[in-house]
Amino acid sequence: NAGVMQNPRHLVRRRGQEARLRCSPMKGHSHVYWYRQLPEEGLKFMVYLQKENIIDESGMPKERFSAEFPKEGPSILRIQQVVRGDSAAYFCASSPQYTGELFFGEGSRLTVL
Amino acid sequence: EDQVTQSPEALRLQEGESSSLNCSYTVSGLRGLFWYRQDPGKGPEFLFTLYSAGEEKEKERLKATLTKKESFLHITAPKPEDSATYLCAVHPNAGGTSYGKLTFGQGTILTVHP
Repeated sequence: NAGVMQNPRHLVRRRGQEARLRCSPMKGHSHVYWYRQLPEEGLKFMVYLQKENIIDESGMPKERFSAEFPKEGPSILRIQQVVRGDSAAYFCASSPQYTGELFFGEGSRLTVL
Repeated sequence: EDQVTQSPEALRLQEGESSSLNCSYTVSGLRGLFWYRQDPGKGPEFLFTLYSAGEEKEKERLKATLTKKESFLHITAPKPEDSATYLCAVHPNAGGTSYGKLTFGQGTILTVHP
């Protein structure tokens, strides 16, 4: 059973470009979470999604960030007009039910030049 | 505001030298406390869930305990492969808090020398 798959593993963007990060949850998992880990900071919750629904986006910056989990295909975290402060590791996690026992992917590391 | 503080920030041990990591938390009601392990360049890996004071969980050389204000991760006779960052996280019992919305501490970087 494959784990949580994230791609790309590394992404370099220039200021003002768009970044798209993809996450395929573990098979059978319908709950997807995105977390961000800034340099020298802990993991911070961003958004919680189920298929076709955003359940909790209280950790998402109000502008430039959006997330989706369509009926078919991976969950996508989209960052528009990236700035240097967006440089971080973005982790996706999934779970099969309502639990804090999350299965994390290996992360996507975004560098903004 | 929910807070999780882990200490020490870094811990260096000799192989076989037992020790403990601390996680202090302030939360408006605790639904669960979680320990994760994170290797460099990887995502966190779930270790334990603790739900109530007095509860203990064990896995190989690791044992997690919980009180009303803190949790400890005890490492007995560690080996070099136990080297990693250990993360503590809480899930508050505040109404409507999503289950996977965890508040993480900064982590303790553990290095075990052979």
